[in-house]
Amino acid sequence: QVQLQESGPGLVKPSGTLSLTCAVSGGSISSSNWWSWVRQPPGKGLEWIGEIYHSGSTNYNPSLKSRVTISVDKSKNQFSLKLSSVTAADTAVYYCARAKGTTDAFDIWGQGTMVTVSS
Amino acid sequence: DIQMTQSPSSLSASVGDRVTITCRASQGISNSLAWYQQKPGKAPKLLLYAASRLESGVPSRFSGSGSGTDYTLTISSLQPEDFATYYCQQYYSTPPTFGQGTKVEIK
Repeated sequence: QVQLQESGPGLVKPSGTLSLTCAVSGGSISSSNWWSWVRQPPGKGLEWIGEIYHSGSTNYNPSLKSRVTISVDKSKNQFSLKLSSVTAADTAVYYCARAKGTTDAFDIWGQGTMVTVSS
Repeated sequence: DIQMTQSPSSLSASVGDRVTITCRASQGISNSLAWYQQKPGKAPKLLLYAASRLESGVPSRFSGSGSGTDYTLTISSLQPEDFATYYCQQYYSTPPTFGQGTKVEIK
């Protein structure tokens, strides 16, 4: 079965760029699914960041669009998130997730990775 | 963005109780609604999608209903493993948005 695993630095300095990768195993990133990033600040709710299709098509949350880039590497079966100009407000657990079929209901999630923005 | 409002924000219930959580969208979402369960330190788990379709492997005590702007998650007989936080999410329009969560605690 498909599994997702996030990786990347757990600490990023203010004004820096947060970079995370989500490795897809047990299936192909070139399947007919969209792949998303979702974040959750400590003790708070869930916020969708954006998504990518294996073709490279992307959609972003307008609230973050100016700072977000999501890319796909089909050769490595993974996709990545870059969030620039980070502040303490970007401190959160970051999840990668797969959208189910033609929906944007997320049926498979990574375990999440905590990213702290601090000097 | 479509705003999703859940109620209540928290509730206390006993094992065996019937529990209902509601979710209201700021505009109609044509049943494009998912429900998730999240336990501390864990990723959310998809319970239902398309408002009422049970995800594979999810116990049948979970059910969903609703239409238009108003939706409901029902747990018919609360089990010890059901104590968690529940989120609704609309995927009718981009960006997908989540409710603020409902924490189900032990009475």
